[in-house]
Amino acid sequence: AQSVTQPDIHITVSEGASLELRCNYSYGATPYLFWYVQSPGQGLQLLLKYFSGDTLVQGIKGFEAEFKRSQSSFNLRKPSVHWSDAAEYFCAVGSINNDMRFGAGTRLTVKP
Amino acid sequence: DVKVTQSSRYLVKRTGEKVFLECVQDMDHENMFWYRQDPGLGLRLIYFSYDVKMKEKGDIPEGYSVSREKKERFSLILESASTNQTSMYLCAVHRQGIIYEQYFGPGTRLTVT
Repeated sequence: AQSVTQPDIHITVSEGASLELRCNYSYGATPYLFWYVQSPGQGLQLLLKYFSGDTLVQGIKGFEAEFKRSQSSFNLRKPSVHWSDAAEYFCAVGSINNDMRFGAGTRLTVKP
Repeated sequence: DVKVTQSSRYLVKRTGEKVFLECVQDMDHENMFWYRQDPGLGLRLIYFSYDVKMKEKGDIPEGYSVSREKKERFSLILESASTNQTSMYLCAVHRQGIIYEQYFGPGTRLTVT
């Protein structure tokens, strides 16, 4: 089955600084990749997704992610972080069978 | 947008009790999933279902069973709850046939004492 690794358990950035959250996947075929965000006490919300085509995808809330097949990566980026971005972020990979596997998550803290 | 409802936000049960967690969707989506979410482990797939009366084991099915008698409802059953099943349980749905994102319910935080 497919799998996802998020190497960073916790990241702290200052408000206004840039952000990059790492995600590496393992899957034998073309991956379907997703980033979700979970704010405290909330459910998961989709930020962006990659199925095919342009390897740089834009999402909601000013986030973007780049698919790099050679590195098996799908890193999430934001040029300027806002205090409201503090949350937990999950990377996920879907298969042709429509089942998904999630990473362990990266918790983002934003310093004022 | 798809609305996914879970029967309880918080639940406290005793060891050995039989526990039912329900998930209901308001669209006609075929695929439904149950995950548990634990700190440092992310979301782990327990069971999923492609259609009524169909079920597939996920990565951690032990101690759980599921029921899908109607398309809109997918139940997770803990036959005899144990303390190691204390967790956040999330239900998700998506449409069959094309790779779509999953839509999640708000979660049920279950505590087994």
